[in-house]
Amino acid sequence: KAGVTQTPRYLIKTRGQQVTLSCSPISGHRSVSWYQQTPGQGLQFLFEYFSETQRNKGNFPGRFSGRQFSNSRSEMNVSTLELGDSALYLCASSLASGGNQPQHFGDGTRLSIL
Amino acid sequence: AQKVTQAQTEISVVEKEDVTLDCVYETRDTTYYLFWYKQPPSGELVFLIRRNSFDEQNEISGRYSWNFQKSTSSFNFTITASQVVDSAVYFCALRDLSGGSNYKLTFGKGTLLTVNP
Repeated sequence: KAGVTQTPRYLIKTRGQQVTLSCSPISGHRSVSWYQQTPGQGLQFLFEYFSETQRNKGNFPGRFSGRQFSNSRSEMNVSTLELGDSALYLCASSLASGGNQPQHFGDGTRLSIL
Repeated sequence: AQKVTQAQTEISVVEKEDVTLDCVYETRDTTYYLFWYKQPPSGELVFLIRRNSFDEQNEISGRYSWNFQKSTSSFNFTITASQVVDSAVYFCALRDLSGGSNYKLTFGKGTLLTVNP
Protein backbone atom coordinates (compact mmCIF):
# COMPACT_ATOMS: atom_id res chain seq x y z
CA LYS A 1 0.00 0.00 0.00
CA ALA A 2 1.54 3.29 -1.09
CA GLY A 3 2.23 5.83 1.63
CA VAL A 4 1.60 9.54 1.67
CA THR A 5 3.22 11.17 -1.34
CA GLN A 6 4.35 14.77 -1.33
CA THR A 7 5.63 16.70 -4.31
CA PRO A 8 7.99 18.27 -4.90
CA ARG A 9 10.60 17.10 -2.38
CA TYR A 10 12.63 20.27 -2.63
CA LEU A 11 11.74 23.77 -3.72
CA ILE A 12 13.66 27.03 -3.89
CA LYS A 13 11.78 30.30 -4.21
CA THR A 14 12.46 33.98 -3.68
CA ARG A 15 10.67 36.45 -1.46
CA GLY A 16 7.36 37.65 -2.78
CA GLN A 17 6.69 34.61 -4.92
CA GLN A 18 3.98 32.08 -4.26
CA VAL A 19 4.20 28.32 -4.08
CA THR A 20 1.87 25.33 -4.26
CA LEU A 21 2.67 22.03 -2.57
CA SER A 22 0.88 18.81 -3.31
CA CYS A 23 -0.07 15.83 -1.16
CA SER A 24 -1.60 12.50 -2.15
CA PRO A 25 -2.92 10.61 0.89
CA ILE A 26 -2.88 6.89 1.49
CA SER A 27 -5.60 5.23 -0.55
CA GLY A 28 -8.88 5.30 1.38
CA HIS A 29 -7.79 8.06 3.73
CA ARG A 30 -10.12 11.04 3.66
CA SER A 31 -8.43 13.40 6.10
CA VAL A 32 -5.34 15.39 5.19
CA SER A 33 -3.42 17.65 7.56
CA TRP A 34 -0.51 19.99 6.93
CA TYR A 35 2.30 20.91 9.30
CA GLN A 36 5.23 23.29 9.17
CA GLN A 37 8.47 22.15 10.79
CA THR A 38 11.27 24.58 11.60
CA PRO A 39 14.24 24.27 13.99
CA GLY A 40 12.96 27.12 16.13
CA GLN A 41 9.22 26.45 16.31
CA GLY A 42 9.20 22.71 15.84
CA LEU A 43 6.12 21.09 14.33
CA GLN A 44 3.20 23.44 13.99
CA PHE A 45 -0.26 22.56 12.74
CA LEU A 46 -1.41 24.47 9.68
CA PHE A 47 -4.80 23.01 8.76
CA GLU A 48 -6.81 19.84 8.28
CA TYR A 49 -9.19 18.93 5.49
CA PHE A 50 -11.84 16.26 5.44
CA SER A 51 -14.27 15.64 2.59
CA GLU A 52 -13.09 18.79 0.84
CA THR A 53 -13.86 20.94 3.89
CA GLN A 54 -11.39 22.63 6.21
CA ARG A 55 -12.06 21.20 9.67
CA ASN A 56 -9.24 22.73 11.70
CA LYS A 57 -6.91 25.66 11.30
CA GLY A 58 -3.74 26.62 13.12
CA ASN A 59 -2.40 30.07 13.92
CA PHE A 60 -0.93 31.02 10.59
CA PRO A 61 -1.55 34.14 8.50
CA GLY A 62 -3.97 34.15 5.61
CA ARG A 63 -1.06 33.79 3.18
CA PHE A 64 -1.24 30.09 3.98
CA SER A 65 -4.19 28.37 2.38
CA GLY A 66 -5.17 24.95 1.23
CA ARG A 67 -7.79 22.87 -0.43
CA GLN A 68 -8.80 19.28 -0.86
CA PHE A 69 -10.15 17.65 -3.96
CA SER A 70 -12.85 15.02 -4.33
CA ASN A 71 -10.20 12.28 -4.56
CA SER A 72 -8.81 13.46 -1.17
CA ARG A 73 -5.63 14.85 -2.69
CA SER A 74 -4.69 18.16 -1.15
CA GLU A 75 -2.72 21.22 -2.08
CA MET A 76 -1.25 23.89 0.10
CA ASN A 77 -0.51 27.36 -1.17
CA VAL A 78 1.66 30.06 0.32
CA SER A 79 1.52 33.53 -1.24
CA THR A 80 3.92 36.45 -0.89
CA LEU A 81 6.67 34.24 0.46
CA GLU A 82 8.82 35.51 3.32
CA LEU A 83 12.24 34.31 4.48
CA GLY A 84 10.61 32.87 7.59
CA ASP A 85 8.54 30.51 5.48
CA SER A 86 11.63 28.40 4.87
CA ALA A 87 10.73 25.07 6.44
CA LEU A 88 9.90 21.44 5.96
CA TYR A 89 6.21 21.13 5.13
CA LEU A 90 4.71 17.81 6.12
CA CYS A 91 1.45 16.34 5.00
CA ALA A 92 -0.33 13.63 6.97
CA SER A 93 -3.35 11.53 6.17
CA SER A 94 -5.76 9.49 8.26
CA LEU A 95 -8.88 7.47 7.65
CA ALA A 96 -11.14 10.02 9.31
CA SER A 97 -10.88 13.36 10.99
CA GLY A 98 -9.77 13.85 14.57
CA GLY A 99 -9.98 11.72 17.67
CA ASN A 100 -7.90 8.60 17.90
CA GLN A 101 -7.02 8.40 14.25
CA PRO A 102 -3.23 8.14 13.87
CA GLN A 103 -1.84 10.34 11.15
CA HIS A 104 0.58 8.92 8.63
CA PHE A 105 3.13 11.35 7.29
CA GLY A 106 4.83 11.86 3.97
CA ASP A 107 8.52 12.67 3.47
CA GLY A 108 7.76 16.37 3.30
CA THR A 109 8.60 19.23 0.97
CA ARG A 110 11.63 21.26 1.95
CA LEU A 111 11.00 24.86 0.96
CA SER A 112 13.87 27.32 0.90
CA ILE A 113 13.28 31.05 0.44
CA LEU A 114 16.15 33.15 -0.88
CA ALA B 1 -4.73 25.28 26.32
CA GLN B 2 -3.01 22.10 25.33
CA LYS B 3 0.73 21.72 25.63
CA VAL B 4 3.31 18.95 25.28
CA THR B 5 6.71 19.20 26.94
CA GLN B 6 9.68 17.04 26.06
CA ALA B 7 12.29 18.33 28.47
CA GLN B 8 15.13 16.29 27.00
CA THR B 9 16.38 18.08 23.90
CA GLU B 10 19.15 15.57 23.18
CA ILE B 11 20.13 12.19 24.58
CA SER B 12 23.22 10.22 23.69
CA VAL B 13 23.66 6.58 24.68
CA VAL B 14 25.87 3.67 23.79
CA GLU B 15 24.37 0.73 21.94
CA LYS B 16 22.56 -1.80 24.17
CA GLU B 17 21.80 0.76 26.85
CA ASP B 18 18.19 1.33 27.87
CA VAL B 19 16.88 4.86 27.37
CA THR B 20 13.69 6.63 28.46
CA LEU B 21 12.25 9.62 26.65
CA ASP B 22 10.02 11.81 28.78
CA CYS B 23 6.76 13.44 27.75
CA VAL B 24 4.53 15.61 29.93
CA TYR B 25 1.27 17.00 28.62
CA GLU B 26 -1.33 19.57 29.63
CA THR B 27 -5.00 19.52 28.69
CA ARG B 28 -8.32 20.54 30.19
CA ASP B 29 -10.19 17.81 28.37
CA THR B 30 -11.10 14.47 29.89
CA THR B 31 -11.01 12.79 26.51
CA TYR B 32 -7.73 13.05 24.66
CA TYR B 33 -5.24 10.98 22.72
CA LEU B 34 -1.49 10.68 22.97
CA PHE B 35 0.91 9.65 20.24
CA TRP B 36 4.60 8.99 19.72
CA TYR B 37 6.30 9.49 16.38
CA LYS B 38 9.84 8.79 15.19
CA GLN B 39 11.56 11.04 12.66
CA PRO B 40 14.71 9.54 11.14
CA PRO B 41 17.12 11.74 9.15
CA SER B 42 15.09 11.10 6.00
CA GLY B 43 12.40 13.38 7.44
CA GLU B 44 9.30 11.21 7.38
CA LEU B 45 7.42 10.98 10.68
CA VAL B 46 6.73 7.36 11.55
CA PHE B 47 3.75 6.57 13.78
CA LEU B 48 4.73 4.41 16.78
CA ILE B 49 1.81 4.30 19.21
CA ARG B 50 -1.53 5.81 20.14
CA ARG B 51 -3.07 5.92 23.63
CA ASN B 52 -6.47 7.29 24.66
CA SER B 53 -7.09 8.94 28.01
CA PHE B 54 -9.27 6.08 29.27
CA ASP B 55 -6.65 3.42 28.78
CA GLU B 56 -3.78 3.61 31.25
CA GLN B 57 -2.42 0.20 30.50
CA ASN B 58 1.25 0.21 29.65
CA GLU B 59 2.20 -1.23 26.32
CA ILE B 60 5.18 -3.17 25.09
CA SER B 61 6.11 -3.73 21.49
CA GLY B 62 9.39 -5.55 21.08
CA ARG B 63 12.13 -3.34 22.50
CA TYR B 64 9.72 -0.42 22.85
CA SER B 65 7.50 0.22 25.87
CA TRP B 66 5.28 3.08 26.93
CA ASN B 67 4.27 4.18 30.44
CA PHE B 68 1.10 6.30 30.60
CA GLN B 69 0.33 7.90 33.98
CA LYS B 70 -2.63 10.28 34.16
CA SER B 71 -1.76 11.23 37.75
CA THR B 72 1.43 12.88 36.57
CA SER B 73 0.23 13.69 33.02
CA SER B 74 3.11 11.76 31.57
CA PHE B 75 3.49 9.40 28.65
CA ASN B 76 7.08 8.17 28.69
CA PHE B 77 8.74 6.01 26.06
CA THR B 78 11.47 3.47 26.84
CA ILE B 79 13.74 1.74 24.36
CA THR B 80 15.40 -1.37 25.76
CA ALA B 81 18.78 -2.50 24.45
CA SER B 82 19.06 0.47 22.09
CA GLN B 83 20.47 0.05 18.61
CA VAL B 84 22.13 2.46 16.20
CA VAL B 85 19.00 2.33 13.99
CA ASP B 86 17.04 3.87 16.86
CA SER B 87 18.87 7.15 16.29
CA ALA B 88 16.23 9.70 15.36
CA VAL B 89 14.15 12.55 16.70
CA TYR B 90 11.19 11.32 18.72
CA PHE B 91 8.04 13.39 19.08
CA CYS B 92 5.27 13.08 21.61
CA ALA B 93 1.90 14.53 20.52
CA LEU B 94 -1.48 15.27 22.08
CA ARG B 95 -4.85 15.46 20.42
CA ASP B 96 -7.79 16.95 22.33
CA LEU B 97 -10.97 18.90 21.79
CA SER B 98 -9.30 22.22 22.55
CA GLY B 99 -11.43 25.33 22.64
CA GLY B 100 -14.54 23.50 21.50
CA SER B 101 -13.18 22.98 18.01
CA ASN B 102 -12.48 19.71 16.35
CA TYR B 103 -9.59 17.66 17.62
CA LYS B 104 -6.25 19.36 17.10
CA LEU B 105 -2.84 17.68 17.22
CA THR B 106 -0.09 19.39 19.22
CA PHE B 107 3.51 18.17 19.13
CA GLY B 108 6.30 18.50 21.65
CA LYS B 109 9.64 19.95 20.52
CA GLY B 110 11.12 16.50 20.12
CA THR B 111 14.06 14.61 21.63
CA LEU B 112 17.08 13.83 19.47
CA LEU B 113 18.31 10.37 20.38
CA THR B 114 21.78 9.35 19.25
CA VAL B 115 22.81 5.75 19.77
CA ASN B 116 26.55 5.28 19.38
CA PRO B 117 28.09 1.93 18.45
